[in-house]
Amino acid sequence: SQQGEEDPQALSIQEGENATMNCSYKTSINNLQWYRQNSGRGLVHLILIRSNEREKHSGRLRVTLDTSKKSSSLLITASRAADTASYFCATDARNTDKLIFGTGTRLQVFP
Amino acid sequence: DTGVSQDPRHKITKRGQNVTFRCDPISEHNRLYWYRQTLGQGPEFLTYFQNEAQLEKSRLLSDRFSAERPKGSFSTLEIQRTEQGDSAMYLCASSLADSRASGYTFGSGTRLTVV
Repeated sequence: SQQGEEDPQALSIQEGENATMNCSYKTSINNLQWYRQNSGRGLVHLILIRSNEREKHSGRLRVTLDTSKKSSSLLITASRAADTASYFCATDARNTDKLIFGTGTRLQVFP
Repeated sequence: DTGVSQDPRHKITKRGQNVTFRCDPISEHNRLYWYRQTLGQGPEFLTYFQNEAQLEKSRLLSDRFSAERPKGSFSTLEIQRTEQGDSAMYLCASSLADSRASGYTFGSGTRLTVV
């Protein structure tokens, strides 16, 4: 079962533009994580934000978390063609010891 | 230790055959997870181990699926009597027990095609 839903499902932008992806989830969480997946490969962990945090930065990535709305956003600034990939949010629900992934956003960055 | 290794990368099998996949996690990680991913979807949880103990299994894991992690090191996932619906990418991941700090490290996956 999928815990999260990403929005939009697909996003196409030009290099240098910012990309924003949103994630909504259903149950209370310990933390929320974002992962990137290049076509046909495994997932790469990008950033983790705890349930008591509201915003976190890592390089060109900015993640926000609103637990009252059960939602998160991932902003990639100054995008590059190499950012082309699928991006997934994943939640570590409080009553489980596993990550549940969303459906993903497919990002295409054109040079 | 260069990360999580999965073998084989690709497997094509005839319907009804048995297949076995292997995952070698990062050596310091005591948790190991199996996920299944179909085209255009996010990974779906199958099962996970802490050391050699299998702590949780998804309802997706039918009687034809079995996973082991002998000695708490590598893990195998076996699918018996494969069906076309088993065609998917099978992903393995490992983490420290408290994955709240660092997240999972994934392997590159095994792509299974059942013909």
